[in-house]
Amino acid sequence: EAGVTQSPTHLIKTRGQQATLRCSPISGHTSVYWYQQALGLGLQFLLWYDEGEERNRGNFPPRFSGRQFPNYSSELNVNALELEDSALYLCASRSRFRSSGNTIYFGEGSWLTVV
Amino acid sequence: GDSVTQMEGPVTLSEEAFLTINCTYTATGYPSLFWYVQYPGEGLQLLLKATKADDKGSNKGFEATYRKETTSFHLEKGSVQVSDSAVYFCALKGETSGSRLTFGEGTQLTVNP
Repeated sequence: EAGVTQSPTHLIKTRGQQATLRCSPISGHTSVYWYQQALGLGLQFLLWYDEGEERNRGNFPPRFSGRQFPNYSSELNVNALELEDSALYLCASRSRFRSSGNTIYFGEGSWLTVV
Repeated sequence: GDSVTQMEGPVTLSEEAFLTINCTYTATGYPSLFWYVQYPGEGLQLLLKATKADDKGSNKGFEATYRKETTSFHLEKGSVQVSDSAVYFCALKGETSGSRLTFGEGTQLTVNP
C-alpha cells in the first residue's frame, strides 16, 4: 500500500511568485493535514482538510491556502512568496475509521526554497 | 491550549549507550501521545504511540509510557545504534485540538560508533 505521496520533492521560486504543492493521502484516508517545518522553528500546523472542507487552520496569513479534491488529494498554495517561506512542507493523512487507531501518517515532504 | 515540551538537544551518545529523551505535555482531558522520528532529508515516521494512561508504546527497541500523573511520555532505548541518529519529535493529539497534532521542538540525536 502506498504511503502519503507529495510533489514536487523540491521547488525553487523567486520572491513574490506563487507556489503550489500537492499531496495524495493513503488510500482510504479522508483527512489531510499540512505542516511547515522551517529551520529552527519546529513543526507548525498549517491546515486540516476533511471530506473536502477546511476544518482547522493554524496561525498563518491568508496567502497560505489550500483545498481538498473529491478524491481526497490536496494542494497547498502559497501566494506572494517571501524568503521566510523557505521550508519543508509536510503533508499527512488519517483514516476516518477509529479502528485504524487514529494515527496520522506523514509524507516525505516538499522542499520549497524562495530566492 | 495544548503544548509539548521536549528536552533540548542536541544529544550525542556512543553506540550501545542508554537513551532518554524527556517529553512533557499540557492538554485538557486525555490526549493521545506519539513519538515521530525524522531521518536526515526525510519526512516524519511514526515511531510509537499510546492512547491512554499507563499505556506503553514500543517499536524498534524504543519505549515510552504514558504517565498521566506526571504528564510525561519520555522516550527510552536501552542500547542505541548509529542508525538511530535522527531528530525525534514528541507530539500529542488532544481532545480539543481539532484532530491536529501538536509537536515539541524536536531533539537531534547523534550516535557515534
